[in-house]
This record gives sequence, structure tokens and C-alpha cells, in this order.
Amino acid sequence: GENVEQHPSTLSVQEGDSAVIKCTYSDSASNYFPWYKQELGKRPQLIIDIRSNVGEKKDQRIAVTLNKTAKHFSLHITETQPEDSAVYFCAASKDSSYKLIFGSGTRLLVRP
Amino acid sequence: SAVISQKPSRDICQRGTSLTIQCQVDSQVTMMFWYRQQPGQSLTLIATANQGSEATYESGFVIDKFPISRPNLTFSTLTVSNLSPEDSSIYLCSVERRDRGYNEQYFGPGTRLTVT
Repeated sequence: GENVEQHPSTLSVQEGDSAVIKCTYSDSASNYFPWYKQELGKRPQLIIDIRSNVGEKKDQRIAVTLNKTAKHFSLHITETQPEDSAVYFCAASKDSSYKLIFGSGTRLLVRP
Repeated sequence: SAVISQKPSRDICQRGTSLTIQCQVDSQVTMMFWYRQQPGQSLTLIATANQGSEATYESGFVIDKFPISRPNLTFSTLTVSNLSPEDSSIYLCSVERRDRGYNEQYFGPGTRLTVT
């Protein structure tokens, strides 16, 4: 079955710097790759996702890149702000209507 | 955006008892998913609930321990049976929705279960 590895487990950056979180997946049939942000005591919140027919997607300060050949995808956050501090999870799936397999999570701390 | 509610939001239960968690969505959805998030950990899928058929369980999760009902396209329940302290977790439901013009998965607020 699908396996998703996520790195790093913790990431500390200075406010205004960029943050990059990387994930690799094992199942070449995976086509849907969402990213979730989870603040303490709250539900995972979908922040961006990408499908295998594109290599990059941007939404304001957030971007996701996908390399299907290498089976890895990354989350890029530019101009980080303290409110970006949270745990970020990547996931992989065959489709958005299918089960999600999650990475282990990255705790991002943005220092003011 | 999708309105997904769960009841209860939290509960403290005694060992050996059961807890039933409800997930309600504001519109009809085909698939509903139940996840477990143990303290400080990632999310693990328990089962997929289809309306009108038996739930599909992931490896390591069995129907006797986690019975699921899906009586209609807006509602599902997950029961955690014969509770032990190891069942202390957050349980979340998720659904596929098309709120931003394309299909995505959204989560309910979760149910925090503590077993004493």
C-alpha cells in the first residue's frame, strides 16, 4: 500500500524567511496530494492541494510542487508569519474521493 | 465551505464502555472517512463508510472494535467499543466536497476521547 514520508519533523524559521516541507510517496498510482495545517486543538485545515496533471500550484504565499517521476512533492511558504506556526501534514491519494495516506507531520515554528 | 459537525466534541469514558461518535454533513456526500489521531501523532484512516454497504476497514482496525453506521448520505456514526486507555485519541470524520470548484477532502472538528 501507499506510504508517505515527510521531512523535517520540526522546522524553525525567522519571520519573513521561507519554509519548505518535503514529502515522498511510494504508490505511483497516487494522483492527489493535499496539504493540511493543524493548529493546536483544531481540525486539519486544507490549505492547498495538487493533482498529478500539474507540476506546481500557487496560492498567495503558499506553493506546492510535484515531481511524479521522483514521487515527491513539497510545500513552500514564503514571507512566513507567526500565524503560520502549526503542524503541517502532507497526504497522498488516488483521488480526492479516495482515502488519504498522511505523512508524519512537520511542526513549523515561525519566530517573530 | 463545507459544514461538517461531530458530536460529542469531547468525552471522558471508563474502561470497558463504548462511545458512539456522530458525523453530520450539510449536504449529501458519497464517501465518508473516519480517522484516528493519537496524541502528537499523524492521522490514520480507520475505515471508509459508504451509504448502503458495509464499511471498508484498514489493516489493524476491525468491525467488532469500530462498528460504523451510514444510514444516509449526510450522516455516519463510529462506535469505539470496549474502551481501553490506548483508545484515547481524537477521532475525525472527513468528506469529499466541491466547495471551491473542484473536489477536496474536508475534516470535521474532531471528537477528543479520553479513557480512564
